[in-house]
Amino acid sequence: SAVISQKPSRDICQRGTSLTIQCQVDSQVTMMFWYRQQPGQSLTLIATANQGSEATYESGFVIDKFPISRPNLTFSTLTVSNMSPEDSSIYLCSVEDRNFGPGTRLTVL
Amino acid sequence: EDKVVQSPLSLVVHEGDTVTLNCSYEVTNFRSLLWYKQEKKAPTFLFMLTSSGIEKKSGRLSSILDKKELFSILNITATQTGDSAVYLCAVLFSGTYKYIFGTGTRLKVLA
Repeated sequence: SAVISQKPSRDICQRGTSLTIQCQVDSQVTMMFWYRQQPGQSLTLIATANQGSEATYESGFVIDKFPISRPNLTFSTLTVSNMSPEDSSIYLCSVEDRNFGPGTRLTVL
Repeated sequence: EDKVVQSPLSLVVHEGDTVTLNCSYEVTNFRSLLWYKQEKKAPTFLFMLTSSGIEKKSGRLSSILDKKELFSILNITATQTGDSAVYLCAVLFSGTYKYIFGTGTRLKVLA
């Protein structure tokens, strides 16, 4: 199964700033997924990222807030834009074989 | 509306106890149900269940799916403190790699 890494592991950010999270996979995959887990909540799918096409966003998530890049078959980024404390969450990337990356814990002050 | 519901929300047991975690679902285009263990940030895959009545087993953990009654259970026997975690179930939609996750069950095993 694919090995997934994420950077950063955690970050503390100020309100109004943006953070880009990177997800790297050790093998080529067609689809990559970004999830959010707010404190005490379960995982919610933000968007699906296919290489060479625009990401597909789930209801309640928009590209302006969570722009995603997918430049090749092993890498993707998720940016959390204009952050507010409500964006404090764990952000996880996942691939087709049901494994998850180690996650990024984001705290917005 | 598609949904996955887990019960109980939390559970405290002592080492050696047996626990049963429940997951019920109402989704269109069901493909599979998955169980994960989440200790810190990343969920760790435990089981994927696609067919009814076939038990999946790994050590002290086992799970089974009932597609008629739309639920699954995860059993942990002879619990250990290392089993303390949040256990998540997720349903995979047919024709996609999209998952919908349940609320999770937080298990705490006391020594």
